[in-house]
Amino acid sequence: EPEVTQTPSHQVTQMGQEVILRCVPISNHLYFYWYRQILGQKVEFLVSFYNNEISEKSEIFDDQFSVERPDGSNFTLKIRSTKLEDSAMYFCASSARGLARYNEQFFGPGTRLTVL
Amino acid sequence: RKEVEQDPGPFNVPEGATVAFNCTYSNSASQSFFWYRQDCRKEPKLLMSVYSSGNEDGRFTAQLNRASQYISLLIRDSKLSDSATYLCVVNPSNTGKLIFGQGTTLQVKP
Repeated sequence: EPEVTQTPSHQVTQMGQEVILRCVPISNHLYFYWYRQILGQKVEFLVSFYNNEISEKSEIFDDQFSVERPDGSNFTLKIRSTKLEDSAMYFCASSARGLARYNEQFFGPGTRLTVL
Repeated sequence: RKEVEQDPGPFNVPEGATVAFNCTYSNSASQSFFWYRQDCRKEPKLLMSVYSSGNEDGRFTAQLNRASQYISLLIRDSKLSDSATYLCVVNPSNTGKLIFGQGTTLQVKP
């Protein structure tokens, strides 16, 4: 069964450093997303991406965040200067149907980011 | 009012029990509704979409009441493997953005 993959599974970084989280969406999916989940809290939407453009972003997704699809398979989330409060699990998701109703999104296993 | 609200539980039930979870959402224009399951420190996994007419998948039944902005999930004949957090999820505007509830924790005991 096709699945979303993410690397690394755990990233530890110092405050102020840049991190890049990587995702390989399901191969025939065209819509990509990043979500985050702070420990003990709910899953929160960060950004959606389609056709090499951001479709929508949340208030969390400020200028420190960027996304890119550098090639035909990878989808990355970059945090330019990490803060302590960026510590969270970051989930990548993809879907085949995007803006249609019932665009079922499938999630990767997540990258646990720890900012020290 | 929270965008998606769930009773956090925990719900502790014996194997074989029937258990129901409820969820309310605030945006009456919401278009799509889902139940996801999340195991501890794992990713959310899609359990089922929730259609206006209600739908069933094996032991799981989902219902939607648009007038009351209320979604439910019924699990029959609970198994130990059903122990997880159940996330009520709403797509408020067909933009692809999913809004998650806090989740309801289910613990099925032998």
